Amino acid sequence: QPVLTQSSSASASLGSSVKLTCTLSSGHSTYIITWHQQQPGKAPRFLMRLEGSGSYNRGSGVPDRFSGSSSGADRYLTISNLQSEDEANYYCETWDSNTWVFGGGTKLTVL
Amino acid sequence: EVQLLESGGGLVQPGGSLRLSCAASGFTFTTYAMSWVRQAPGKGLEWVSSISGRGDYTYYTDSVKGRFTISRDNSKNTLYLQVGSLRAEDTAVYYCAKHDRDCSSATCQAYFDYWGQGTLVTVSS
Repeated sequence: QPVLTQSSSASASLGSSVKLTCTLSSGHSTYIITWHQQQPGKAPRFLMRLEGSGSYNRGSGVPDRFSGSSSGADRYLTISNLQSEDEANYYCETWDSNTWVFGGGTKLTVL
Repeated sequence: EVQLLESGGGLVQPGGSLRLSCAASGFTFTTYAMSWVRQAPGKGLEWVSSISGRGDYTYYTDSVKGRFTISRDNSKNTLYLQVGSLRAEDTAVYYCAKHDRDCSSATCQAYFDYWGQGTLVTVSS
């Protein structure tokens, strides 16, 4: 099964940009992933689907400040013009053989 | 607008059982796979179980096999999770999640594109 690795925390200043990373385990570098945002005390929200080619599709109502990119086994979520409401946990997710897996999540702090 | 509303959580003793429900609206329920995902207090997300649109395929994470049962009533647009033989480690918020497509075969290739608000299950004596 694939394993997704994320840094536990990240921080960036209001109005700046931040790039979060999700790394797929060996042998799974071509997998499609999705990114989900979970604001404090709230349910997760689907942000985007991201392919190994770097092509991505945002979910309904997701601002274009959120973008995706890929390099090898790494999948990135870039948030531009950071807002206070972007302070949240960000999870990547993928699937294989009828099993779905999540990364451990990155807690983003907006300074 | 897609809406998913969970219910049925609560405090239950170890070894006990509950039935969680998820009422869906805003989409053609029968044509999408659905799942349950849980989150223990202060922890990350963990997939629990999934079911195809017609209910003919079901999938479970190893830790709940034989204890949890996923089902759906397409006439009521409702997803269920019967949870039994509960353990302290099953304590979590349980989220209902819609997939972006149905599972058209025994192999399901679908991701989560909408989430419910969750229902809390607490297992404690």
